[in-house]
Amino acid sequence: NAGVTQTPKFRVLKTGQSMTLLCAQDMNHEYMYWYRQDPGMGLRLIHYSVGEGTTAKGEVPDGYNVSRLKKQNFLLGLESAAPSQTSVYFCASSPQGYSNQPQHFGDGTRLSIL
Amino acid sequence: GDSVTQMEGPVTLSEEAFLTINCTYTATGYPSLFWYVQYPGEGLQLLLKATKADDKGSNKGFEATYRKETTSFHLEKGSVQVSDSAVYFCALSLNSGGSNYKLTFGKGTLLTVNP
Repeated sequence: NAGVTQTPKFRVLKTGQSMTLLCAQDMNHEYMYWYRQDPGMGLRLIHYSVGEGTTAKGEVPDGYNVSRLKKQNFLLGLESAAPSQTSVYFCASSPQGYSNQPQHFGDGTRLSIL
Repeated sequence: GDSVTQMEGPVTLSEEAFLTINCTYTATGYPSLFWYVQYPGEGLQLLLKATKADDKGSNKGFEATYRKETTSFHLEKGSVQVSDSAVYFCALSLNSGGSNYKLTFGKGTLLTVNP
């Protein structure tokens, strides 16, 4: 019963390097989300997707790109990593666009940019 | 805009003590309200939810009542255990246009329960 799986779990990058975070869900959910969690800031929405082939900007999208080529996968890319992007990144999914549906979260990716 | 304000932590309690974590919200419309819990090194898990005024959500001994008149959703537990040590997030969900909705989180409250 995997739910939402994020890879990798940890990563250290140098400033200017690029990388992609992968999120996979096996619940056939339509909606997927990427958040970042920083101390004292709660969770902030980076990008989200309401279905295969769609993406939209969240609260803090600058410096990130996303793709949803397959329904079960949602990729978050950092083209040129910056120290300000050091954070814990969480992926989430939900079955449909109703406000009473909770989101299901992965265990997070801890990313450090040196 | 929509926002959630929850009491700042950290909160430290002894085992079997009573817990209250305050949460108030500001929203245009009628949101659904959630409490999520994050155990060390893990992602967020849904703890409980309420979708309309006067609803009470409950799970694992935790309770919260949706109070529209005070725009609050305070989390309570009568007797905490060491295993309840975690970060607790209050959140609201509101339709943001069409079929989309947005989840807005509070900043989280760290709870530590000592034996």
